Amino acid sequence: ELKVEQNPLFLSMQEGKNYTIYCNYSTTSDRLYWYRQDPGKSLESLFVLLSNGAVKQEGRLMASLDTKARLSTLHITAAVHDLSATYFCAVDYAGKSTFGDGTTLTVKP
Amino acid sequence: GAGVSQSPRYKVAKRGQDVALRCDPISGHVSLFWYQQALGQGPEFLTYFQNEAQLDKSGLPSDRFFAERPEGSVSTLKIQRTQQEDSAVYLCASSRVRDYEQYFGPGTRLTVT
Repeated sequence: ELKVEQNPLFLSMQEGKNYTIYCNYSTTSDRLYWYRQDPGKSLESLFVLLSNGAVKQEGRLMASLDTKARLSTLHITAAVHDLSATYFCAVDYAGKSTFGDGTTLTVKP
Repeated sequence: GAGVSQSPRYKVAKRGQDVALRCDPISGHVSLFWYQQALGQGPEFLTYFQNEAQLDKSGLPSDRFFAERPEGSVSTLKIQRTQQEDSAVYLCASSRVRDYEQYFGPGTRLTVT
């Protein structure tokens, strides 16, 4: 059974600071997703990472994938309040996506 | 273009009632997924359709849960004899083909009292 672990589960950071969210998974996979979810809303796709060493960036967010270490990171640069949300990673295995428990990010002024 | 839509957005059911949740995927999307998201947790896979064929129902928690997609487009998730533990948000997602990016609907929040 595939297990996906995110850490931290809760993150409070100040505007302008940098931080990294980690996503570890237990079984070989070469497809990993990052999603954003605002309170009471559905999931918004942020990144799809398809191969070892993949790196994608959008604005202040950058995601990377190391399939050998079974690790993905979501790096936040110079955080702003609008980034406050819950971030999920999800890993594909046996044709289905398994999600982590999410990292709830709060960015404070 | 239109995204994935779900109805109703909110449903309150008394324990023991049957409910039906609808999903309209993006037009032309072959793959359709249902997930259950409990409060404070990530979505959990329930079932997968490719066109009208239900290829994976391994995540359905009990035989009270039933899903269909008879014409390969709209899908319905039915829960019979609802229990309190069924209270959750039910998310539907579609994708062009199975291994492509999934687009999620807004979800149906089910509360069983």
